[in-house]
Amino acid sequence: QKEVEQNSGPLSVPEGAIASLNCTYSDRGSQSFFWYRQYSGKSPELIMFIYSNGDKEDGRFTAQLNKASQYVSLLIRDSQPSDSATYLCATLLFTSGSRLTFGEGTQLTVNP
Amino acid sequence: ETGVTQTPRHLVMGMTNKKSLKCEQHLGHNAMYWYKQSAKKPLELMFVYSLEERVENNSVPSRFSPECPNSSHLFLHLHTLQPEDSALYLCASSPDVYNSPLHFGNGTRLTVT
Repeated sequence: QKEVEQNSGPLSVPEGAIASLNCTYSDRGSQSFFWYRQYSGKSPELIMFIYSNGDKEDGRFTAQLNKASQYVSLLIRDSQPSDSATYLCATLLFTSGSRLTFGEGTQLTVNP
Repeated sequence: ETGVTQTPRHLVMGMTNKKSLKCEQHLGHNAMYWYKQSAKKPLELMFVYSLEERVENNSVPSRFSPECPNSSHLFLHLHTLQPEDSALYLCASSPDVYNSPLHFGNGTRLTVT
């Protein structure tokens, strides 16, 4: 079983729609959860992090965490073509300190 | 200005060459990392340094040799690489190694011929 699992996509949504990106993780000890966005040919950039169960909103982005189900998601409202990128989910085990574990990423395309 | 600068951006080397990748962070962070990103694979952690001391080495082959002379600079020395080592090598930093989000550099695209 992969430690962090994401659908590789591609996920395609029309402009203005809600894009929903999903991530599951295998280790119940995971404490912190991050979403990175990576444009083609560029490095990953942090867009959201969440530590507690529930929703966390930042502008058009909402991160949702359900530790009981070992599930974290990212919703992008009013999707724009500029949101087209690969989205990487990552988790951090408190006990492992430095070992941030990434999923393979989901490629999102927002069509004008 | 990302705060984490990597050079060179692109590197092509033969299997018998020796080269080095350089990373510099201007964020005042205490932890620095090397990651490898290959197509269709998750980011792979290679090395972690905290205050110039290596704290993690994820079973990386000895043909990759890291060096951290101070908390702002990180190098990855390369020698006798294999074609399968071709990938994007990303440097990152964080305030400390525990529970901190990473700030990535733009990466070095390495091609081994």
